[in-house]
Amino acid sequence: EAGVTQSPTHLIKTRGQQATLRCSPISGHTSVYWYQQALGLGLQFLLWYDEGEERNRGNFPPRFSGRQFPNYSSELNVNALELEDSALYLCASSYGGSDQPQHFGDGTRLSIL
Amino acid sequence: RKEVEQDPGPFNVPEGATVAFNCTYSNSASQSFFWYRQDCRKEPKLLMSVYSSGNEDGRFTAQLNRASQYISLLIRDSKLSDSATYLCVAPGGGGSQGNLIFGKGTKLSVKP
Repeated sequence: EAGVTQSPTHLIKTRGQQATLRCSPISGHTSVYWYQQALGLGLQFLLWYDEGEERNRGNFPPRFSGRQFPNYSSELNVNALELEDSALYLCASSYGGSDQPQHFGDGTRLSIL
Repeated sequence: RKEVEQDPGPFNVPEGATVAFNCTYSNSASQSFFWYRQDCRKEPKLLMSVYSSGNEDGRFTAQLNRASQYISLLIRDSKLSDSATYLCVAPGGGGSQGNLIFGKGTKLSVKP
């Protein structure tokens, strides 16, 4: 069974640019979650999508947005990039709900110059 | 009380030692819990699921105390390869209902 796949592995941008990160969930999983992890810090919840709809959102500004496609893959968009957006962005998938474990991809490392 | 709270450590133990981590959670309605392991600059990986009073998998034992709202992870006969950050995970409540809440992690360092 293929795991969660994320692309790209690394992304280098400059301040003010826009970044798009992509995630393909494990086959059969309908929920996709996005997290931000700055160096040395814990996971910060960004977004949760299930069946194509946004179910919950973390405490992040509106320039962080995303969507989930009919095939359950997802993308995260970050507009007007700031230096503090430099972090590892992790995508996870599950069957949905809080009784199901989440399985993570390798992450996209976003660096803002 | 924070939704999920863990002692950040670090726990520095010798090989072969037994080490235990505790984690408290705030959502008293929670039914399922998870422990993840995260190596430096890598993604978290599921270590163990806890759906009832506890779970055991080889050297790892997780226990759940619903009355006191805490979960523990016990690692016996520690190996150098156990060095990592261990994340406690519990269901969210209120505005986070339906989501999982990750603790900030407890760092374990096993020394020769």
